[in-house]
Amino acid sequence: KQEVTQIPAALSVPEGENLVLNCSFTDSAIYNLQWFRQDPGKGLTSLLLIQSSQREQTSGRLNASLDKSSGRSTLYIAASQPGDSATYLCAVLSNFGNEKLTFGTGTRLTIIP
Amino acid sequence: GAVVSQHPSRVICKSGTSVKIECRSLDFQATTMFWYRQFPKQSLMLMATSNEGSKATYEQGVEKDKFLINHASLTLSTLTVTSAHPEDSSFYICSAYLQGSNNEQFFGPGTRLTVL
Repeated sequence: KQEVTQIPAALSVPEGENLVLNCSFTDSAIYNLQWFRQDPGKGLTSLLLIQSSQREQTSGRLNASLDKSSGRSTLYIAASQPGDSATYLCAVLSNFGNEKLTFGTGTRLTIIP
Repeated sequence: GAVVSQHPSRVICKSGTSVKIECRSLDFQATTMFWYRQFPKQSLMLMATSNEGSKATYEQGVEKDKFLINHASLTLSTLTVTSAHPEDSSFYICSAYLQGSNNEQFFGPGTRLTVL
């Protein structure tokens, strides 16, 4: 059974700093890994999707890496802004053929102005 | 891009009533949709997989008679919470699977259910 963990559970950093969010998964047999952002009381916004054959994806100030063999992914946010404050979730699509996503526990990020 | 809508966005009901939540893929057809539940400050938990034209597949611990799922067309899945109780109050989110899109799921904006 796939398990996904995110560390830390909460993070506060001053505006302008670069930061890294971590995601680890127990079973390396995955199709892809996806990072989402969730604002309070809202749905999910997809940020980046990395296929199992890829090592990283970039979008603007965001960079996500994937090390499938070690079961880890990181989300790097450059030059953080108060608008980046949200909960960040990673989710893994396992290679079981049933298209189910397993979500991590989330990291609640607060950017201090 | 692929857009998924949910209706209603927020619903308040009395204990014992039934509530229907709709999930629609607006610009693509989805043979598979998923229903998740999220309790405050927790992550998403998969409830069931909804397959067009066939019975839904429920996760362990999810009561199929309480959470009725119907996937009548390639663009619509509905979740009905029957005889709702306060403990069913939660945030319900659906997603639609777009085949050929790098196996990506697209998520709806969620429905906040409050049972009084």
